[in-house]
Amino acid sequence: GNSVTQMEGPVTLSEEAFLTINCTYTATGYPSLFWYVQYPGEGLQLLLKATKADDKGSNKGFEATYRKETTSFHLEKGSVQVSDSAVYFCALNAGNNRKLIWGLGTSLAVNP
Amino acid sequence: DGGITQSPKYLFRKEGQNVTLSCEQNLNHDAMYWYRQDPGQGLRLIYYSQIVNDFQKGDIAEGYSVSREKKESFPLTVTSAQKNPTAFYLCASSPRTGAGDEQYFGPGTRLTVT
Repeated sequence: GNSVTQMEGPVTLSEEAFLTINCTYTATGYPSLFWYVQYPGEGLQLLLKATKADDKGSNKGFEATYRKETTSFHLEKGSVQVSDSAVYFCALNAGNNRKLIWGLGTSLAVNP
Repeated sequence: DGGITQSPKYLFRKEGQNVTLSCEQNLNHDAMYWYRQDPGQGLRLIYYSQIVNDFQKGDIAEGYSVSREKKESFPLTVTSAQKNPTAFYLCASSPRTGAGDEQYFGPGTRLTVT
């Protein structure tokens, strides 16, 4: 079946450090891939997405590339800020019934 | 502004009482979803609806019920049969069929049952 595996947190970084949050997936067919962000006490917001192999999604300095050969969609940011502190979720949609398959989330804390 | 509204933000109930969580969207989306989130865990799908007057059970539907009488509304009832109802509940919607369609989320309702 379809599944998403994210690196476990929490991840703690200093401001301006480089961020990578790993995400790998198992899916049949050609899924779309998403990164969502959840700030404390709030709902989830779409951060970026990619719908086919080799696509790069980007937003607010975050990037992720859809790598079919390694079944990965790792999230990266070159210089994190304190305001990036949140929980990040990787998800896939295999399209058959509009359901998203979610990773467990990775908590990021950025210290000044 | 278009979006998803969930109310109230915080809800308190006594054990044994049913409680209904509201979810309204003005995005004209066909599909709507209810998720449950527990501390340190990911999202678990409770129910989803792809069209008015139709809905399907998700992964953890026991103890919950829903209705979809209008396109813009998808209320969730947490019944007394739900053994551990205290959680953060998130409603979402998506526009149309297709793997590329993301889900849009409401701000959530935190339910505490004592």
